[in-house]
Order: sequence, then structure tokens, then C-alpha cells
Amino acid sequence: QSVLTQPPSASGAPGQRVTISCSGSSSSIGSSYVYWYQQLPGTAPKLLLYKNDQRPSGVPDRFSGSKSGTSASLAISGLRSEDEADYYCVAWDDSLSGSWVFGGGTKLTVL
Amino acid sequence: QVQLVQSGSELRKPGASVKVSCKASGYTFTHYPINWVRQAPGQGLEWMGWINTHTGNPTYAQDFTGRFVFSLDTSLSTAYLEINSLKAEDTAIYYCARQAVGLLFDYWGRGTLVTVSS
Repeated sequence: QSVLTQPPSASGAPGQRVTISCSGSSSSIGSSYVYWYQQLPGTAPKLLLYKNDQRPSGVPDRFSGSKSGTSASLAISGLRSEDEADYYCVAWDDSLSGSWVFGGGTKLTVL
Repeated sequence: QVQLVQSGSELRKPGASVKVSCKASGYTFTHYPINWVRQAPGQGLEWMGWINTHTGNPTYAQDFTGRFVFSLDTSLSTAYLEINSLKAEDTAIYYCARQAVGLLFDYWGRGTLVTVSS
């Protein structure tokens, strides 16, 4: 069971907007930046968002992030077929001896 | 350009050991920590820990103490993950990832599949 909770699946039609949530606690998201990774089928994860809402160069502005309290979310607007992937949130968790913790991942299906 | 090139797939029997390599290029190896992440078949990502590439000091996540060993050869700009006393549940893809300040894991290797089967 992951420290960060994500819905196992999400879906949307091309052109639509979808949101993926990531719920944590005061020791994780509540006291840490949140990072988002995209994992296309059969490939390594790719950094999508850092420090809650910042996009690395090359990531389209269709991808946006936000954080409030102990939750964060990833929004994808103008859905495209190539967005079909697994999405993971990550945060530092201060509990125990501290560690980076991943959400369980959300499989996004573009209908 | 930054690259992390990992060694190829491995098949081992239970109880054996395996050593996975991660060769970095395109940047100064000792300036960025290397992290290791596990992904069991059909499952999510698990952070295993990291190694300080400047000092060689490893830090292991709670579930990865004892049988897992991180090491370096800085002359080769290469990080290693060794897993001892392999179990079937160690079957997974193991990724190395560079950690950059503020960006977290900004570059990843392609992953190494380790299969443990008798």
C-alpha cells in the first residue's frame, strides 16, 4: 500500500481535460514539494512536473500541477492519444527515517 | 547529452546474486546522486535509496536494507546495484535515476530486468 494515494485509473476523450489526484499526509505532501512522472508503456519514467507545478523544458503547457495542504493534482488539458500512460506522484516523507515515496500510479486511458 | 546506460537483463536462481550497472555520461558524475527505483511486473514504482556519488555513502529505504548494496566506480562514472540472496519477489525492473537539486529524478536509465526463477 502506497503512502501517496492515487486513483488506479482515469480516462478522457481526445481534447478533454482530466485531473489525477494524489493524496498524502502532513509528513509527506504537507511538508514537501510534489513531483509528477509520466511512464509510457515499456519505457522509463519521465519527469513531467517538479516543485508542484513547474514544467521542465519540453513538457507541453497542457500539463499543469497544483498542491493544497496534503493533496496534489495533475491536470492534462487537450488530451491526446500520446498522453495514454501511467502517471505517478512523488513526495518526500518525513516519517520514520525519511524517504521518497511514490503514489501507486494512475493509468490514463484516452478513449 | 546526459545518459544513463544500464546493463542488460539478468536471469538468476533463488539464492544467487546479481549486480546491475548504470553508466553515466554527459555530465560530471560526482556532482549528482544516483537513486535506484524498483518496478515489479505490472506494479508501481518503489524508491530503493540513493548513493552520494561524491562520498560513496549509500542510503537505503526501509524495505531495502540487508540484501541490497549500492556502490560506485567513479573512474568509470558507473553506479552499481547488487542484490544478494535473491528471492522470486525480487523479479522486477530496476532503474537508476540521476537526482538534481529541485528537479528530483531528472534523468533515468532504461531499466534492467532481473528475473529470479528456478
